Amino acid sequence: SAVISQKPSRDICQRGTSLTIQCQVDSQVTMMFWYRQQPGQSLTLIATANQGSEATYESGFVIDKFPISRPNLTFSTLTVSNMSPEDSSIYLCSVAPGWGQGAVEAFFGQGTRLTVV
Amino acid sequence: AQSVSQHNHHVILSEAASLELGCNYSYGGTVNLFWYVQYPGQHLQLLLKYFSGDPLVKGIKGFEAEFIKSKFSFNLRKPSVQWSDTAEYFCAVVTTSGTYKYIFGTGTRLKVLA
Repeated sequence: SAVISQKPSRDICQRGTSLTIQCQVDSQVTMMFWYRQQPGQSLTLIATANQGSEATYESGFVIDKFPISRPNLTFSTLTVSNMSPEDSSIYLCSVAPGWGQGAVEAFFGQGTRLTVV
Repeated sequence: AQSVSQHNHHVILSEAASLELGCNYSYGGTVNLFWYVQYPGQHLQLLLKYFSGDPLVKGIKGFEAEFIKSKFSFNLRKPSVQWSDTAEYFCAVVTTSGTYKYIFGTGTRLKVLA
């Protein structure tokens, strides 16, 4: 299993600014995932972050808007850049410790509820 | 493209009522199937999972789900709900060929009335 601490839990930001969300895991994991959950919608994968390499972004998400850092095996950050009200959402960090070895159970942080005004 | 559909977006039940939440997925290959639950103010947590074998899987808190391959379905059931089951429930699929990726349904918000 894995315990994930995500900060901040919520924030209200002005449009045009940036917010960096932190994700700390209590064990070393190869892959970390960042999701967005917009109101009334499903969780959508933004990107997959591997330690020591560039993050892999899903269609519709770009590095300039959502830069990700992965400095070590227990930590990652997601930045939401140049925010607009459309970025208001819940952002979730997730890990799957057994990924690639047949165990695909995922664990999630509590999420960051972002409101852009 | 792969997708997961949850038919009920909001469900309201009285305590002791039976629950069934629908989940259908579209993917022709082998899948791993999950139900996650998010209680108010808490993080998503695993309710139950299906990888292979017996298509009827049992999870925590009296929940179970049945995988029906011919119907591409993985419905969640509980014979008698409790007030504490009030939460949002997400069905998810992980495809096991090519790139592993979680695909989530839109979620079902369950409210149980005491």
